[in-house]
Amino acid sequence: KNEVEQSPQNLTAQEGEFITINCSYSVGISALHWLQQHPGGGIVSLFMLSSGKKKHGRLIATINIQEKHSSLHITASHPRDSAVYICADQFYFGTGTSLTVIP
Amino acid sequence: DSGVTQTPKHLITATGQRVTLRCSPRSGDLSVYWYQQSLDQGLQFLIQYYNGEERAKGNILERFSAQQFPDLHSELNLSSLELGDSALYFCASSAEGDFYNEQFFGPGTRLTVL
Repeated sequence: KNEVEQSPQNLTAQEGEFITINCSYSVGISALHWLQQHPGGGIVSLFMLSSGKKKHGRLIATINIQEKHSSLHITASHPRDSAVYICADQFYFGTGTSLTVIP
Repeated sequence: DSGVTQTPKHLITATGQRVTLRCSPRSGDLSVYWYQQSLDQGLQFLIQYYNGEERAKGNILERFSAQQFPDLHSELNLSSLELGDSALYFCASSAEGDFYNEQFFGPGTRLTVL
């Protein structure tokens, strides 16, 4: 079983702040997903990473396969970024990071 | 809108009953995934189908079964329901069968077992 751990569990930020969410896992994997779950429950896939770095708008995701670690960064955070962010390998999910961005 | 549809949106039933959840993938997607999200266990992968065949299996109970039909829609059958089966059930679809593909999630079915 792959232990997928995220930190922090909860995060409150002021609008405009740079945010980092970390994900580490115990078993080597070939790819990792980052998901966003809105307060209403809907889930959106943000990134699928197998190496290096990907950027989409204000979101940046990085992964280091050797170190079994991935990070999700949000630049210039906005209240609409408030959501739960979840990392996952093929079968296992992290417990999620609940982000609240205050105007 | 992800293009993935799930019905029903809400389902309330009693212990011991059987229910069927339905998922229609995005047009052209061959793979369907089922997930369960409960308050105490978080998100869990249940099962994946690719083009009608079971591709991967996760923490799916023996009381649960799924299938993918020739038109690629999928059904998740939950039987002998228990209180602990109350959860949000999501399906997702992707173009191909491997994990490297982006997954598109449906809105979920909220199951309440009384």
